[in-house]
Amino acid sequence: EMQLVESGGGLVQPGGSLRLSCAASGFSFRTYSMNWVRQAPGKGLEWVSYISDSSRTIYYADSVKGRFTISRDNAENSVYLHMNSLRPEDTAMYYCASDPDTPLMRCFDNWGQGTLVTVSS
Amino acid sequence: DVQLTQSPSFLSASVGDRVTITCRTSQVISSYLAWYQQKPGKAPKLLIYAASTLQSGVPSRFSGSGSGTEFTLTISSLQPEDFATYYCQQLNTYPPITFGPGTKVDIK
Repeated sequence: EMQLVESGGGLVQPGGSLRLSCAASGFSFRTYSMNWVRQAPGKGLEWVSYISDSSRTIYYADSVKGRFTISRDNAENSVYLHMNSLRPEDTAMYYCASDPDTPLMRCFDNWGQGTLVTVSS
Repeated sequence: DVQLTQSPSFLSASVGDRVTITCRTSQVISSYLAWYQQKPGKAPKLLIYAASTLQSGVPSRFSGSGSGTEFTLTISSLQPEDFATYYCQQLNTYPPITFGPGTKVDIK
């Protein structure tokens, strides 16, 4: 069974940093692209960042560019999101999601349970 | 950026009803359009990808169709477990990958 488990969320002051982790199991992690998606309380889904299977291609939403860094370790079956200069508007549930990223299947086929990030003084 | 709109934003329906949700994109995209279901306090779940392909394990009462800039998600006979919020997503032109604002399906 494909499984994604996020960790690392918590309460942080504005301007602070956090590192989120997402541990994958039950599938060939190294062949999937990975994404982070966030959802502010009571709001819709917002894509945050993408990393290809080899880490060669990385993208960010404009709202986090220059502050967040995505990375992955295929040996550890994990993807990370380093978040710096956090702002109150970054408060959200953060999900990692896998993407088969093939011509026949582009979608987020599996999601973790999420980890909550709260930015507040 | 490709903007997505969904209509309606809120829908009140009864068990057994046929429900249709529309997603419109700001520019023509190929078939890289997906649909997700999200229940309160839970992660989103993939229902449909490539505009019309049912994800493994998803009940056949769910179907997707469309092309160009207009796509639809249909639930042929609404079940109690289908009351949730539904999001469309485009993965044709990125970054950014974009989601629609969501359609909440509630019990009449």
